[in-house]
Amino acid sequence: AQSVTQLDSQVPVFEEAPVELRCNYSSSVSVYLFWYVQYPNQGLQLLLKYLSGSTLVKSINGFEAEFNKSQTSFHLRKPSVHISDTAEYFCAVSDTNAGKSTFGDGTTLTVKP
Amino acid sequence: DAGVIQSPRHEVTEMGQEVTLRCKPISGHNSLFWYRQTMMRGLELLIYFNNNVPIDDSGMPEDRFSAKMPNASFSTLKIQPSEPRDSAVYFCASYPGQGIGELFFGEGSRLTVL
Repeated sequence: AQSVTQLDSQVPVFEEAPVELRCNYSSSVSVYLFWYVQYPNQGLQLLLKYLSGSTLVKSINGFEAEFNKSQTSFHLRKPSVHISDTAEYFCAVSDTNAGKSTFGDGTTLTVKP
Repeated sequence: DAGVIQSPRHEVTEMGQEVTLRCKPISGHNSLFWYRQTMMRGLELLIYFNNNVPIDDSGMPEDRFSAKMPNASFSTLKIQPSEPRDSAVYFCASYPGQGIGELFFGEGSRLTVL
């Protein structure tokens, strides 16, 4: 069985500050890891994913996440956040049952001016 | 591509009424998932289909909930009779079905049962 723990339910930060959203997972098999972002009144959309290869993965809008197998973590970071990054962020894990994903409870990132 | 299309976007109904939520997955995607999102329970997987066949419905709360996928381009989630505790946002997501990748979500159907 898989599980995902997002350690912070809410993260308030000031604009241009760095941010880290933490995610830990447990799984008995090889995993594939995802971060999704949900803007108000919208569905979830993929931010970035780790499938294999380099453990550091990056998104087009400056976020990055590092897969750490020994610590079973996949923390999301951004060195300088913008107001527009305000959203809810979900970490998810999937095994080889293609598509079936287990989601964390979400972290609400609020960027203040 | 139009993405995953869900309807209605908002539904307000009274307890005891039947509710039908609809989903059109991305063309060519072989798998379809129904999720429910609430403040208390987060995102819950209700049921998923592969090639129109239900594979895992263990997340369906109770017999009041049913889901069908009569063809590759359409799925419904029905609640009969509805109860106030069913109030939530229901998401449909589709998946290509080949290889490993992400889910593609619709914008959700917000259900309020009075």
